[in-house]
Amino acid sequence: DVKVTQSSRYLVKRTGEKVFLECVQDMDHENMFWYRQDPGLGLRLIYFSYDVKMKEKGDIPEGYSVSREKKERFSLILESASTNQTSMYLCASKRIAGSNEQFFGPGTRLTVL
Amino acid sequence: GQNIDQPTEMTATEGAIVQINCTYQTSGFNGLFWYQQHAGEAPTFLSYNVLDGLEEKGRFSSFLSRSKGYSYLLLKELQMKDSASYLCAVRDYTGNKLTFGGGTRVLVKP
Repeated sequence: DVKVTQSSRYLVKRTGEKVFLECVQDMDHENMFWYRQDPGLGLRLIYFSYDVKMKEKGDIPEGYSVSREKKERFSLILESASTNQTSMYLCASKRIAGSNEQFFGPGTRLTVL
Repeated sequence: GQNIDQPTEMTATEGAIVQINCTYQTSGFNGLFWYQQHAGEAPTFLSYNVLDGLEEKGRFSSFLSRSKGYSYLLLKELQMKDSASYLCAVRDYTGNKLTFGGGTRVLVKP
């Protein structure tokens, strides 16, 4: 059974804190993605990675960075959290070929106070 | 860039049929996806269309017209468990990135 896990379901942080969101997949997928989901705006792509140590900006990368040191793990970093980064964060992974489906993790609801 | 539109909310009766429309304007197209997302859960894959026409999978069907920039998801014999958000997404020419619409929340009433 394929699985994408995220380190926390709920997280509360203060403005200015450094925040790490971790995502792990056990399917040996090459591609991994970070999205945020906000009411009325749908899922918006923050960053994605198509291989270890490779990353590419999505549609809304400002205020975020990522790290992919191992194939199974993709981290999203908020260097200095702000209230407008309060959101649901979803991680996904996908095989580079042979499948069209992105598999999503359960999400992390981040609140920045 | 990509621009994707779908209705915000729809209500239907158990046992009925509902059609969720999705229109898109894209700078590159490499397939259209439909995902289902129950409240508080991860999106799960429903269907994929890259050629014009209808793809049927049980009670769910998805249609694509590339010339019109239009797709719909058809849900037949609605069940209460079909109450969820349905997300339309377009893949770009690189095959890596999905751009999602805002999602359509479907409420199934008894």
